Amino acid sequence: GNSVTQMEGPVTLSEEAFLTINCTYTATGYPSLFWYVQYPGEGLQLLLKATKADDKGSNKGFEATYRKETTSFHLEKGSVQVSDSAVYFCALSDGPRGAQKLVFGQGTRLTINP
Amino acid sequence: GAVVSQHPSRVICKSGTSVKIECRSLDFQATTMFWYRQFPKQSLMLMATSNEGSKATYEQGVEKDKFLINHASLTLSTLTVTSAHPEDSSFYICSARDWGDQPQHFGDGTRLSIL
Repeated sequence: GNSVTQMEGPVTLSEEAFLTINCTYTATGYPSLFWYVQYPGEGLQLLLKATKADDKGSNKGFEATYRKETTSFHLEKGSVQVSDSAVYFCALSDGPRGAQKLVFGQGTRLTINP
Repeated sequence: GAVVSQHPSRVICKSGTSVKIECRSLDFQATTMFWYRQFPKQSLMLMATSNEGSKATYEQGVEKDKFLINHASLTLSTLTVTSAHPEDSSFYICSARDWGDQPQHFGDGTRLSIL
């Protein structure tokens, strides 16, 4: 079945550092890809998405490019802030059109120190 | 836009109690709602998918009689944990989608603690 694998966490960086969180997927067909962020004690918020190969999703300084050749959707940010501390989930859509479900990676906890 | 409200945010109750969690889409019609369970420091596990007006589809290993799901309107779905026990303690999160391939929008989750 379809699956998503994220880099192991936790990840700890200093403020203004460059961030990469790796995400690779296994899927039949051409799923849409997502990054969600979860702040402590809250649900998930959609951070960005890409629906086809070579699409770049971007939001709040974060970006990720749908790479079909490497089956990857790595999340990057050029300069992180303390407020970016959260758990980040990579996900893909799975199933027939109109009945798609999300398949999540295991999540990567990010801590940014001042 | 696309706000999903989940209530209550936290429940603490005694073993044997049934607990109902509500999930509402505030500014869109949710054709499909999803219920997830999340254990500490782990990913989300899909429990069931519900479409308005029809029975929920449960994932393998999820007890239908234990986790009752109702999706009676386009803006409300409920999850009832029946006769809850300590092993049911978890963080439950709902999400909603208006149609087709639109992204899911998540509620803030409910932390359920069974004593």
